[in-house]
Amino acid sequence: AQKITQTQPGMFVQEKEAVTLDCTYDTSDPSYGLFWYKQPSSGEMIFLIYQGSYDQQNATEGRYSLNFQKARKSANLVISASQLGDSAMYFCAMREYEKLTFGTGTRLTIIP
Amino acid sequence: DAGVIQSPRHEVTEMGQEVTLRCKPISGHNSLFWYRQTMMRGLELLIYFNNNVPIDDSGMPEDRFSAKMPNASFSTLKIQPSEPRDSAVYFCASSGQAVGELFFGEGSRLTVL
Repeated sequence: AQKITQTQPGMFVQEKEAVTLDCTYDTSDPSYGLFWYKQPSSGEMIFLIYQGSYDQQNATEGRYSLNFQKARKSANLVISASQLGDSAMYFCAMREYEKLTFGTGTRLTIIP
Repeated sequence: DAGVIQSPRHEVTEMGQEVTLRCKPISGHNSLFWYRQTMMRGLELLIYFNNNVPIDDSGMPEDRFSAKMPNASFSTLKIQPSEPRDSAVYFCASSGQAVGELFFGEGSRLTVL
């Protein structure tokens, strides 16, 4: 069974619009962390945002926010006011028992 | 502060040759991870170490792959003999917390002809 599921292989969004990237996860460990990483065409893995399983508030980092719905086991990434530089692959990941497992990613393309 | 440092950045080799990829984690981090990224399989965890000890190597594809961490500041991933299907980007990452973020190196792009 997939631990992390990203159902959107690709998305096209108009510049300045908000975008939501979907992520669902599966775990029986009560203590876990959820992450989003960005991978631009240059290939590096850039950490964007983190949500702990015990955190009550949704995580925010600048234009990024994580919509954490624990009961539904979802951890969607919201990017507000998208920019051309946001075009990249986005990976959702879950860390449990120290291991970090990635989803298959969503390729986001921002259209001018 | 220096991030995770990987070498070489690019390696082109012929089938059957030995390949050694190197990683220097962030100072003070006690966990180190090796990932492989391909178009077909995405990002796969190969092995991870905690305090220089291999904890889980269930992702290592086969006996041709081996990894070592002789001290807290250095790790190697070795492929011997290499095959064309080993062509991928290999990432090393380190972490200082059990549930915190992983910091990734820039990756080593391996091409086996």
